[in-house]
Amino acid sequence: QQQVKQSPQSLIVQKGGISIINCAYENTAFDYFPWYQQFPGKGPALLIAIRPDVSEKKEGRFTISFNKSAKQFSLHIMDSQPGDSATYFCAASWSGGFKTIFGAGTRLFVKA
Amino acid sequence: NAGVTQTPKFQVLKTGQSMTLQCAQDMNHEYMSWYRQDPGMGLRLIHYSVGAGITDQGEVPNGYNVSRSTTEDFPLRLLSAAPSQTSVYFCASSTGRSPLHFGNGTRLTVT
Repeated sequence: QQQVKQSPQSLIVQKGGISIINCAYENTAFDYFPWYQQFPGKGPALLIAIRPDVSEKKEGRFTISFNKSAKQFSLHIMDSQPGDSATYFCAASWSGGFKTIFGAGTRLFVKA
Repeated sequence: NAGVTQTPKFQVLKTGQSMTLQCAQDMNHEYMSWYRQDPGMGLRLIHYSVGAGITDQGEVPNGYNVSRSTTEDFPLRLLSAAPSQTSVYFCASSTGRSPLHFGNGTRLTVT
């Protein structure tokens, strides 16, 4: 049972372009929405996160947009760079963050 | 600080064999969890623990056992390995309401 749906599965973007990854959730009890970045052979690492009381959070080139009524959130990577090539996971958690459910992941490739 | 340490990095088992995947963290995090990563499936929660002596099942617990006798360690046991358990396993820890800190994974192949 996939409680967090992520799209697309893969994404190819030109250097300098905008990468957009979308996620949708079902459980309204979720109260923390992180994005993780994973490079080959490594574990995922936190990239940026948002709580449902704000609609947008920006950190450098990375922005999360959050639509509580639609139960959707997305990651925007501005000025995408080859070093951004990685797998990105959206996630959602509740119960104080103890249980985190992940989307299926998006493999991003940024062409130089 | 080492963070979250997983051993071994790679393991090959035959069907029916048993083994324990080790996970240790040095950040004094009360919450620890095990995930498996399969292509197209993302990371699926196997078991988690909110403190020493307390464990609970996640999304895909069948075929796996866990225990938590100390804050630092959270081993994952496969009692009778099956080919369907071929996967990459990640251990993670956190303080709760905070991001997960992951280890670098154990790649397990069951033949």
